[in-house]
Amino acid sequence: DVKVTQSSRYLVKRTGEKVFLECVQDMDHENMFWYRQDPGLGLRLIYFSYDVKMKEKGDIPEGYSVSREKKERFSLILESASTNQTSMYLCASRLAGGNTGELFFGEGSRLTVL
Amino acid sequence: QKEVEQDPGPLSVPEGAIVSLNCTYSNSAFQYFMWYRQYSRKGPELLMYTYSSGNKEDGRFTAQVDKSSKYISLFIRDSQPSDSATYLCAIYFNNNDMRFGAGTRLTVKP
Repeated sequence: DVKVTQSSRYLVKRTGEKVFLECVQDMDHENMFWYRQDPGLGLRLIYFSYDVKMKEKGDIPEGYSVSREKKERFSLILESASTNQTSMYLCASRLAGGNTGELFFGEGSRLTVL
Repeated sequence: QKEVEQDPGPLSVPEGAIVSLNCTYSNSAFQYFMWYRQYSRKGPELLMYTYSSGNKEDGRFTAQVDKSSKYISLFIRDSQPSDSATYLCAIYFNNNDMRFGAGTRLTVKP
């Protein structure tokens, strides 16, 4: 059974704190993604990675950075959290070259920044 | 204009009703059309995908694509309380870009 695991389901942080969101997949997928999900706005792509050590900006990268040191792990970093980064964060992975582009999602990390 | 438009609802129907969920898109350089289902406090999961105009059935679910109108639909027959979830349309474009609709929150009441 395919699995994308996000280690933190719920986090509460204060403005200015550094936040790490971790994601691990066990499907040997090359591609990994970080989205944020907000009511009425749907899923917006923050960053993605086609392979180890590679990263590409998505639609809303400002205020975020990522790290992909190992194939199975993709981390999202908020260097200095702000209240407008309160959101649900979803990690996803995808097999490179797959026909449909199907994404496999984790269960999400709900971040509240006070 | 967003590339994929979807009415966020919410939509509430009685058990047994036929549900129609819809999206429109603007870019014709697509590969696949998809519907994801997301239960509360869970991540989205792929429900159905199709790439051609017409209908595709899977049990009580039917995905419909009208390329001429740039319109995609998901129909749920004999809806059940277990169908209560947010449904997101998604389009996988030729450039490996995946675009999602805002999601429609559906509640099926017993």
